[in-house]
Amino acid sequence: DAGITQSPRHKVTETGTPVTLRCHQTENHRYMYWYRQDPGHGLRLIHYSYGVKDTDKGEVSDGYSVSRSKTEDFLLTLESATSSQTSVYFCAISESGNTIYFGEGSWLTVV
Amino acid sequence: GIQVEQSPPDLILQEGANSTLRCNFSDSVNNLQWFHQNPWGQLINLFYIPSGTKQNGRLSATTVATERYSLLYISSSQTTDSGVYFCAVERVYTGTASKLTFGTGTRLQVTL
Repeated sequence: DAGITQSPRHKVTETGTPVTLRCHQTENHRYMYWYRQDPGHGLRLIHYSYGVKDTDKGEVSDGYSVSRSKTEDFLLTLESATSSQTSVYFCAISESGNTIYFGEGSWLTVV
Repeated sequence: GIQVEQSPPDLILQEGANSTLRCNFSDSVNNLQWFHQNPWGQLINLFYIPSGTKQNGRLSATTVATERYSLLYISSSQTTDSGVYFCAVERVYTGTASKLTFGTGTRLQVTL
């Protein structure tokens, strides 16, 4: 199994509060990703990173920001959480871009 | 953007049966991957298969890129095969980050 750790694994937060999800990898892979999974939509790419301090937007980036200050850490921030951001968030990593590996997911509920 | 359709949406099998899952995509791709999500939510990469055929134990996959589809074969199914199978594609893979578009999956239940 790829060494990917997501934290927190479960979180309940109130509308309007900031939330940060952390992804930590021990594989030294160059590329890191954040996806969200919702019923009927499969998985959708939020943001990705191709190196330290190098990030770009995915398909559903509105309302999210990311940062990567170290190779091993990729943070996803919801500046002001909304109920539509209730979802399961998956971090993923890849090297050389082909096969990607997922973390175990973070369940976020915004009430 | 590219559309990814998976069929069937749901499948129930008895243990030991074989099955074929299909993934159709709307444009040419050069990055295609299959994943299994188990009942606990864990996503496992099964195959990176932009073209051709690969096999891994009881699982095999074939992608016919020119006809825009991929097939995942499961032989002698076991209860541990239960879960959701996702196909994911990328139209233009540049050899860098994999910005995949996922289908909505095929939910498989294997019964005793």
